[in-house]
Formats: sequence, C-alpha cells, structure tokens
Amino acid sequence: GAGVSQSPSNKVTEKGKDVELRCDPISGHTALYWYRQSLGQGLEFLIYFQGNSAPDKSGLPSDRFSAERTGGSVSTLTIQRTQQEDSAVYLCASSLQPRGGETQYFGPGTRLLVL
Amino acid sequence: AQSVTQPDIHITVSEGASLELRCNYSYGATPYLFWYVQSPGQGLQLLLKYFSGDTLVQGIKGFEAEFKRSQSSFNLRKPSVHWSDAAEYFCAVDTLNTGFQKLVFGTGTRLLVSP
Repeated sequence: GAGVSQSPSNKVTEKGKDVELRCDPISGHTALYWYRQSLGQGLEFLIYFQGNSAPDKSGLPSDRFSAERTGGSVSTLTIQRTQQEDSAVYLCASSLQPRGGETQYFGPGTRLLVL
Repeated sequence: AQSVTQPDIHITVSEGASLELRCNYSYGATPYLFWYVQSPGQGLQLLLKYFSGDTLVQGIKGFEAEFKRSQSSFNLRKPSVHWSDAAEYFCAVDTLNTGFQKLVFGTGTRLLVSP
C-alpha cells in the first residue's frame, strides 16, 4: 500500500514569504507527527495530531509555525514570514495509534531552503 | 529531560566487516527504544524496536540491537556490513510520559562503507 507522502519535495523561498508543506499519511492512521531535521541536528518534534486535534503543540519553535489536519487525514504545516533559520528538512510521520511503542512511518520529507 | 546520545557522528567500516553503532539514553524508567535508518533523500525506516522481554532484538536487513539497562545503552549491530548499508542511523526513545508516543531522537551516526 501507499506510504506517507509529502509535497513539495523541495521548496526554495525568499525570506519573509509564507510556505505551506503538505503531508498525506497512511490511510487509517489516526496519529500524525511533524518533525524538523536541521543540518547536523537530530529530529526535532514539532507537533502531533490525534485525528484532527493537536493535543501537543509544544515543539513549534515560534508563533510563525502552525499546522492543521482535516478529515483525519491530510495535514498542512504553515510557516509564516520565513527566516533563514527555518531552512531544514521537514518530515511527517503517521502511526496507527498514538500509543507507546507504535511504529511511526515517515515520509520522504520536504527540503526547505530560505534565501 | 529525556535525551539520546549517539557519540559517533561518522563511522567508516569495510564491506564485510562487523558494525556496532552506539546509543545511550537518559530516562528514569525503561523506555521503548527504536533504531531508524535514513538513506539519502529518503524518509526514516524502522530497523527494530525494544519494549520489554528479551534484551536482544532482531530487526530487518540483518540488524540486531541489545538493551543493557545497567549501561542505559541500546547499541545496534550487524555481523557483516554491505555497501547498501551506507546511510544515517538514528536511535530514538519513546518516553511514554506525555500520554502519547513522543520520540526523542539522537543526532544520528552516518555510516560509510569502504570497498
């Protein structure tokens, strides 16, 4: 079956512009996660969705970052007024349930470059 | 705060030689432990995970990992490395104290395989 897909695969934008990153999770997966992978860093948790609600937004680095999920499926991560430090790979993952020990399945990521 | 340490940023191994990638975690109880692999331009793929029970866990692609509570370690091993194993490897811990699965990742170890 289809895995997690993300679009676009690459995005180059100018400082100050807004960007939207999309994630299509595996069908039937109720939990969805966004991570950021910066050069030389591990994966940094951003936000988690259970269905359409986001119980934990603690990882969002600033109020320029927001995310939503609709229909318990597709999620969009929006970065407003992008800064150069936002340049990173943004990874999305989904799991069947948000229980401990569940396997998270990752998409290929969106590589964002802010000039 | 929970943390995961992967002390080796890069490791070079000759093809056919054995491999051990180190991972240490900081957490009060026994967490769920994971190893993921990321090939260039790809998302993360789960190699194996540990919940409880047998401390030696078998995974895909011939990998195994051993949980040692006394050392707070979960090292990844492979007896004979193949050129296709060249990738970045991430250790992660699921701390289970947030009410949902929240993975904390190490900074990764990049494996290079020489002929």
